[in-house]
Amino acid sequence: GNSVTQMEGPVTLSEEAFLTINCTYTATGYPSLFWYVQYPGEGLQLLLKATKADDKGSNKGFEATYRKETTSFHLEKGSVQVSDSAVYFCALSGDTGRRALTFGSGTRLQVQP
Amino acid sequence: EAGVTQFPSHSVIEKGQTVTLRCDPISGHDNLYWYRRVMGKEIKFLLHFVKESKQDESGMPNNRFLAERTGGTYSTLKVQPAELEDSGVYFCASSKQGPRGETQYFGPGTRLLVL
Repeated sequence: GNSVTQMEGPVTLSEEAFLTINCTYTATGYPSLFWYVQYPGEGLQLLLKATKADDKGSNKGFEATYRKETTSFHLEKGSVQVSDSAVYFCALSGDTGRRALTFGSGTRLQVQP
Repeated sequence: EAGVTQFPSHSVIEKGQTVTLRCDPISGHDNLYWYRRVMGKEIKFLLHFVKESKQDESGMPNNRFLAERTGGTYSTLKVQPAELEDSGVYFCASSKQGPRGETQYFGPGTRLLVL
């Protein structure tokens, strides 16, 4: 079945540091890949997505590239802010049949001023 | 446009009691999903409605969980009787019908604690 593995947290960074959160997946075919973010006290929000190999999703300075050859969708940001402190979830949905999302375990990011 | 709403935001019940969670999807969204996150683990899929029909209920843990979506609008998820391991955050999400990779919009979740 489908699965998503993302790096364990928490990740603690200073403001303006470079961020990478690793995400790898197992799935047949060509799944769609997502990053969701949950800010404190709020629900999940879509951060970015990519639906085919080599696509790059981007939003709010965050980027992730769909790498079929390495089955990865790593999240990056060049300069994090305190307001980026949140829990980040990598997820996928299959290319056939089931449309439900399969999530990774989530990575908590804490950015210090 | 109003987002996905869920009620209640929090619920504390005793083992053996019944709890009903409600989800109102974004207007016009035919797809409605239930997920839950237990004890800080990964978010797990429970079931998927298309309009009022259950498209996929492979994630429902057991027959203590009953989901309905009357008239293809709001949905309820009832847990009866609740057990300690049912504690967690229950999320609802909705999306439009469309090609694969459609965005699912999530509600704020219902935090359930079973004592």
